[in-house]
Amino acid sequence: DTAVSQTPKYLVTQMGNDKSIKCEQNLGHDTMYWYKQDSKKFLKIMFSYNNKELIINETVPNRFSPKSPDKAHLNLHINSLELGDSAVYFCASRLASPYNEQFFGPGTRLTVL
Amino acid sequence: GQQVMQIPQYQHVQEGEDFTTYCNSSTTLSNIQWYKQRPGGHPVFLIQLVKSGEVKKQKRLTFQFGEAKKNSSLHITATQTTDVGTYFCAGLGDNTDKLIFGTGTRLQVFP
Repeated sequence: DTAVSQTPKYLVTQMGNDKSIKCEQNLGHDTMYWYKQDSKKFLKIMFSYNNKELIINETVPNRFSPKSPDKAHLNLHINSLELGDSAVYFCASRLASPYNEQFFGPGTRLTVL
Repeated sequence: GQQVMQIPQYQHVQEGEDFTTYCNSSTTLSNIQWYKQRPGGHPVFLIQLVKSGEVKKQKRLTFQFGEAKKNSSLHITATQTTDVGTYFCAGLGDNTDKLIFGTGTRLQVFP
């Protein structure tokens, strides 16, 4: 009964490749997020969707493109991967109010060689 | 932009010692949330404080929200090895629904 799931868990790829990470939540939440956690453990928000609509778009290179086919799914596609993209990417979700807690997925560890 | 800093960055303690992490925001916060991330794991929500000066306890953990709503602290009494992990504070600025995470404090507990 995983609440927020991500695939794949690990992703190792060459520089210049294009890759996607998928996220699904079965909590019935309205809002979903993508976060990037670097090697120093800093957790930075990248994007947020509410009911399939983009509501937060931080200063992220346009090589990163989120897609939300429905409110239970938020995928992240990355073009032309660079070494600096290596990080752990977390998906999260919450109910409508921003005062509600966020539930995080297990993370996807991306390594770009 | 809004920044949320935590100190210390790292803390090593002997099991049984107390531990405190401090969270400071450059702007007033609407709320403060605390999350714990075990090594290799994902952040897990611990608690939320909303009122100025609020204090909440969860067993050995005590959370405080400052009077000016710009700072917060998490105090763990008599640490155990199960307390190991990185503790993050996170807060909403005024007029925003974007949760800004603090820089985190990594706690190591030696038996």
